[in-house]
Amino acid sequence: QVQLMQSGASVKSPGASVNVSCKTSGYTFSHYGISWVRQAPGQGLEWIGWVIPYNGDTAYAQQFQDRVTMTADTSTSTAYMELRSLRSDDTAIYYCSRDSLNFDFWGPGTLVTVAS
Amino acid sequence: QSMLTQPPSVSGTPGQRVAISCSGSPSSIGNNTVNWFQQLPGMAPKLLIFHNDQRPSGVPDRFSGSKSGTSASLAITGLRSDDEADYYCGAWDDSLNGRLFGGGTKLTVL
Repeated sequence: QVQLMQSGASVKSPGASVNVSCKTSGYTFSHYGISWVRQAPGQGLEWIGWVIPYNGDTAYAQQFQDRVTMTADTSTSTAYMELRSLRSDDTAIYYCSRDSLNFDFWGPGTLVTVAS
Repeated sequence: QSMLTQPPSVSGTPGQRVAISCSGSPSSIGNNTVNWFQQLPGMAPKLLIFHNDQRPSGVPDRFSGSKSGTSASLAITGLRSDDEADYYCGAWDDSLNGRLFGGGTKLTVL
């Protein structure tokens, strides 16, 4: 069965960076994109971007272009998201999702708290 | 700021039918397919409808989706208490070259 497992919660200081991982299983990793979506407390869903494991191509939402990097390691079927220059309004649950235009499977989410 | 517009909340009684609208633009819903997601409290979102009106396996046929022009709609019939959740629409936007989500609609079963 398809599974996406994410790294644990973290607390970061403003200005720091965070790395979130998403280890997948149950399907051919290189055949599907991985999107990252976040949800601030009490707010809606916000798409951050995606990575295509097959060739490493990425696309980022404009508001994150200059401070996010997404990568994928086909040898371990794991996707990664690095978000830099963290601010307090980056506090959110970060989800990875298998993205074949449908977001058909989701990870459980990773809580990232930005606080001084 | 979301460019897919949903009502903040809808409500209904058990057994009723409710509908949730999602209004977009020619570059989003007008030119791309729509997905719908259900998010139960404290859980990750779950795909409910893809390609405007298709249900993944395991999703009851009480849930249906439709699209017309630059708007889409999710209908839930035979409303149950465990349908109480937040519902989001999503679509690609050609002008942004990225994905959009609606602001979400909270369904309350009275």
